[in-house]
Amino acid sequence: EPEVTQTPSHQVTQMGQEVILRCVPISNHLYFYWYRQILGQKVEFLVSFYNNEISEKSEIFDDQFSVERPDGSNFTLKIRSTKLEDSAMYFCASSDVGGRVYNEQFFGPGTRLTVL
Amino acid sequence: SQQGEEDPQALSIQEGENATMNCSYKTSINNLQWYRQNSGRGLVHLILIRSNEREKHSGRLRVTLDTSKKSSSLLITASRAADTASYFCATDAVRPNSGYALNFGKGTSLLVTP
Repeated sequence: EPEVTQTPSHQVTQMGQEVILRCVPISNHLYFYWYRQILGQKVEFLVSFYNNEISEKSEIFDDQFSVERPDGSNFTLKIRSTKLEDSAMYFCASSDVGGRVYNEQFFGPGTRLTVL
Repeated sequence: SQQGEEDPQALSIQEGENATMNCSYKTSINNLQWYRQNSGRGLVHLILIRSNEREKHSGRLRVTLDTSKKSSSLLITASRAADTASYFCATDAVRPNSGYALNFGKGTSLLVTP
């Protein structure tokens, strides 16, 4: 069964460093998302991406964050200068072209980001 | 505004019993989805129910949706120890210029003991 994959599974970085989290969405999906979950808290939406542009972003997704689909398979989240409060599990998700009513989003296993 | 608030926060049952979790939300939705998360792991999609549906089944799962009360319930029948996990509802709200963001609740932590 097709699934969303994410690398790395765990990333440790120093405050102020740049990190890139990578995702490979399900191959025939056209909508891509990033969410994060701070330990013990609920999953929060960061950004959605369609047709090579951001379709929506939350207030969390400030200028330190960017997303890119560099090729036909990868979808990346870059944090330019990490802060301690960026420590969280980051989930990538994708959904197909079924439209709004059929917005089943399938999640990857997540990347645990630890900022020291 | 917060969407998708589940209750109870924690539920402990024995194998074979049924588990019922509830979710309430505040604004009009296109659909509501339930996810499972095992400790420290990813989110597994369980079921999606559209706003014009009232009930949906998938294996041992039964989901209901009452848009007049803005609430949903997830029933797991004949529970197993492997069902131990956190369960989240997530709503796709009707909004202009929506990028289909899902709003998650805080989840119900289910413990099924043998």
